[in-house]
Amino acid sequence: GAVVSQHPSRVICKSGTSVKIECRSLDFQATTMFWYRQFPKQSLMLMATSNEGSKATYEQGVEKDKFLINHASLTLSTLTVTSAHPEDSSFYICSAQRDRDEKLFFGSGTQLSVL
Amino acid sequence: QKEVEQDPGPLSVPEGAIVSLNCTYSNSAFQYFMWYRQYSRKGPELLMYTYSSGNKEDGRFTAQVDKSSKYISLFIRDSQPSDSATYLCAMRSFNKFYFGSGTKLNVKP
Repeated sequence: GAVVSQHPSRVICKSGTSVKIECRSLDFQATTMFWYRQFPKQSLMLMATSNEGSKATYEQGVEKDKFLINHASLTLSTLTVTSAHPEDSSFYICSAQRDRDEKLFFGSGTQLSVL
Repeated sequence: QKEVEQDPGPLSVPEGAIVSLNCTYSNSAFQYFMWYRQYSRKGPELLMYTYSSGNKEDGRFTAQVDKSSKYISLFIRDSQPSDSATYLCAMRSFNKFYFGSGTKLNVKP
């Protein structure tokens, strides 16, 4: 099966610092990656869609200057939470879609806690 | 009205029971239907993936799609405590994915 690796799994940081989360497709090329945010006992909320080599498409209400997404290669996308604040504390999950395949595979998620 | 409706549960069943999880949807453009299992503080894991109406079986899991009624189901036979998790249904239209809110399942030993 397809494997998506996400790091770190957990990060605790001080308010005002920036945090980078990596998402890698280990055994396939992913032309499209998605970033989600999940609050406790709630479903996935799509933040942005990332295509290799082009700018990410952000969902309405998601600040692009706060959540920087870079999809530099077919196997790597990064999400940087800039100047993090306590309200940014959440569970962030990436997913990747194989080229010419409709299935979506998820990373293991990153729990961000901003103090 | 949400695009995808899913009962959040929780659903509690004894070990060995048959579990039925369901989702309804409103958008007839949905073409692909998926079920994911998510353990606490982990990423969702793809369980089943279907395209057409009808049944698809994989081990103890059966996915059922009824496009005419806009209704999908996941059946789990001989449920085990290790099946305790949140189950998310998902649907795809034009490369955009829509997720249900998830049903929390607890299988008691």
